[in-house]
Amino acid sequence: EPEVTQTPSHQVTQMGQEVILRCVPISNHLYFYWYRQILGQKVEFLVSFYNNEISEKSEIFDDQFSVERPDGSNFTLKIRSTKLEDSAMYFCASSEEVTSTDTQYFGPGTRLTVL
Amino acid sequence: AQKITQTQPGMFVQEKEAVTLDCTYDTSDPSYGLFWYKQPSSGEMIFLIYQGSYDQQNATEGRYSLNFQKARKSANLVISASQLGDSAMYFCAMRDWGGNKLTFGTGTQLKVEL
Repeated sequence: EPEVTQTPSHQVTQMGQEVILRCVPISNHLYFYWYRQILGQKVEFLVSFYNNEISEKSEIFDDQFSVERPDGSNFTLKIRSTKLEDSAMYFCASSEEVTSTDTQYFGPGTRLTVL
Repeated sequence: AQKITQTQPGMFVQEKEAVTLDCTYDTSDPSYGLFWYKQPSSGEMIFLIYQGSYDQQNATEGRYSLNFQKARKSANLVISASQLGDSAMYFCAMRDWGGNKLTFGTGTQLKVEL
């Protein structure tokens, strides 16, 4: 069964460093998303991406964040200068459509720890 | 704005029993989708079941069913014949018409006991 994959599974970085989190969405999906989950809290939407541009972003997704689809398979989230409060689990998701009926399938997550 | 409320931070159930996890929602959109995801201790988010706002029948997927009461704005997840492997965090989420994002509740931690 097709699945979303994410690398790395765990990333440790120093405050102020740049990190790139990588995702490979399900191959026939057209819509891609990033969410984050701070430890013990609920999952929060960061950004959605379609047709090589951002379609929606949350207040969390400030200028420190960027997304890119550098090739036909990868979808990346870059945090330019990490802060302690960026420590969280980051989930990539993808869906075929962007209607209310369409399921978003999540990857296994990347746990980011900022020291 | 959409809102999802899960009022049960933790639930216990005995193996082989059924359990209901509560979820209420708030939206002004007439068309929306409701989703349940399971998050085991390993951290991944596993899609379980979906209910559309215009669906006439309650959704079922194996041992999972969704008790959808539109007038009360509730979408409770029912797990029948609980198994030890059902122990996990369960999140209710909603997506409205044309919306990109899922809005999640705070989750319910389910523990299945022998």
